[in-house]
Order: sequence, then structure tokens, then C-alpha cells
Amino acid sequence: AQSVAQPEDQVNVAEGNPLTVKCTYSVSGNPYLFWYVQYPNRGLQFLLKYITGDNLVKGSYGFEAEFNKSQTSFHLKKPSALVSDSALYFCAVPRGYGQNFVFGPGTRLSVLP
Amino acid sequence: EPEVTQTPSHQVTQMGQEVILRCVPISNHLYFYWYRQILGQKVEFLVSFYNNEISEKSEIFDDQFSVERPDGSNFTLKIRSTKLEDSAMYFCASKRTGTGYADTQYFGPGTRLTVL
Repeated sequence: AQSVAQPEDQVNVAEGNPLTVKCTYSVSGNPYLFWYVQYPNRGLQFLLKYITGDNLVKGSYGFEAEFNKSQTSFHLKKPSALVSDSALYFCAVPRGYGQNFVFGPGTRLSVLP
Repeated sequence: EPEVTQTPSHQVTQMGQEVILRCVPISNHLYFYWYRQILGQKVEFLVSFYNNEISEKSEIFDDQFSVERPDGSNFTLKIRSTKLEDSAMYFCASKRTGTGYADTQYFGPGTRLTVL
């Protein structure tokens, strides 16, 4: 069964420092992996996705993610964190005939000024 | 840029009452979804809808739930007799095609349902 895990409930990072939000996956077949961000009282906004090809995927707001097949990981990264990046981040994988998403439990990122 | 919209943003209802949550997916999208997020918990899939019928539903989507696309633009989720545990944020999502796991789903801002 398709699943993703986010091992950290909370990540704290100082503004200007690099950030990493971790995601590991378990899928059968080709992995399609997505990252979404949820700001307070808002919906889920698409950041980036991995389909195939280059292992480093670039997305919105300066985020990027690295696909690592041997470690079954798809960590979200940003070279220099902003206070405005503080939000809830979800990793997701599509599954099933309906192609719905299975989401990880979410990681709350706090960027401290 | 086209967006998924949802109304109302917040719905308060009494236990046992019927509610209808409304969504307007992106206009050229063909695949529609409802998800829910109980406060502080993960986002859970409820139902997917394609070609005017349910393509898949989760165990959460029992007989109290139904979906409809009454016209060319709206996509609704009805809960016939609400329970306290239905209190959650409900998200609508849509994607352009019905054939690709790689397609991005675009989410609406959500409707917060509070059942008293």
C-alpha cells in the first residue's frame, strides 16, 4: 500500500538558516511524490512534485526537494528560511483507482526571527 | 490564476441536521475530491468523483455522506444527519485529468464545519 511518513512533528529553525522537512515513502511501482503547505486557516497549497527524471525538484517560494531512491526519501529543503515559511507541511502520495492522496501526518515548521 | 473555491467558509449546525458544503472546482478539471482534516490531525480522503460518478470512497464515507455535481460548475458534499465527530475542516480538490497519478490536485480554502 502507498504510504508516506514524516518523522518529525515539529521543526524549528532560525531565520536565514537552511531548513529540511523530512518525508519517507513506501510505494509499489513508480513513486509520484508531492509536497503541500498549509498556512493557518488556509487550504493546502501545492509546492512541488517528483514524477521522474532529475532527483532535485524545484518548486514554489524557493523550496526544493531531493528524491533519494535508495533511502526512499523525499525531503523538502530551502537554503535560507523566512519567518513567513512558518506553516504546516504535508508530504503526499497518490493511490488507488480514484488517484486520491495519502498524506503524511504533517510537520509544523517554525522559523524563528 | 484559476482557483478552487468553497462556500461557506464556516458552517455551524446542530447535531442531526443536514449540511451541504459547496465547491466550485477549476473549470477545465475533470477529477474532483473531498478530504477532511479533524483539528490537529492528518488530512483524510473521503471520496473521488469522475465522469459523474464516484470512482472511489473511503471507509469514512458512509451512507450519511453523498456527493453531487448538480450542474457544470458546482460539486457538493452532503452530510444527511451530522454527528459531533463530523466537526472538521472539509477540503475540496480538483485535477485536470482522470488518467494520471502525476497530476497535481488543487485544493480549495476549506469549509470549517462545527457540529454542536
